[in-house]
Amino acid sequence: NAGVTQTPKFRVLKTGQSMTLLCAQDMNHEYMYWYRQDPGMGLRLIHYSVGEGTTAKGEVPDGYNVSRLKKQNFLLGLESAAPSQTSVYFCASRTGTENTEAFFGQGTRLTVV
Amino acid sequence: GDSVTQMEGPVTLSEEAFLTINCTYTATGYPSLFWYVQYPGEGLQLLLKATKADDKGSNKGFEATYRKETTSFHLEKGSVQVSDSAVYFCALSALTGRRALTFGSGTRLQVQP
Repeated sequence: NAGVTQTPKFRVLKTGQSMTLLCAQDMNHEYMYWYRQDPGMGLRLIHYSVGEGTTAKGEVPDGYNVSRLKKQNFLLGLESAAPSQTSVYFCASRTGTENTEAFFGQGTRLTVV
Repeated sequence: GDSVTQMEGPVTLSEEAFLTINCTYTATGYPSLFWYVQYPGEGLQLLLKATKADDKGSNKGFEATYRKETTSFHLEKGSVQVSDSAVYFCALSALTGRRALTFGSGTRLQVQP
């Protein structure tokens, strides 16, 4: 009963390095999201996808890219990491049915030095 | 755009005290409303939800009522326990479009024995 799985759980990057965060869900959900969590700011939407092969920008997309080549996977990429991207990243998924809740992964704690 | 405002924390209570965490929202139409809880080092878990006006969501002794006239969804619990110590997030979800959750900034609850 995996639900939403994020890898890695922790990562330290140097400024300018690149990395990809992987989110995998086994619930056949249509919608997937990437959020970042910063102290005192709640969770803010970075990018989202409403189905395989589709992606769209959220509120804070700058510096990130995403891909959804398979329905169960949603990848978040940082091409050139900056200290301002130090955060905890959460992936979430939900069905396309109205009024359903989103399910969250355990988070990835990223530090950019 | 949609927004959620929560009371500032941290909230510190003694065990068996009454809890209220205020939440108000701004949204077009009639969104679904949620409370999520985040325990230390973990992802977000759904605590309860309400999908239409006057609905009451409840779970684990927590309750919240969808008040359309005051655009509020306050979280209450009659008697808190040490194990309730966590960060609580109020969130809303529009019924159309990307259906992403919009979060409040979170309220940290600390319950002392």
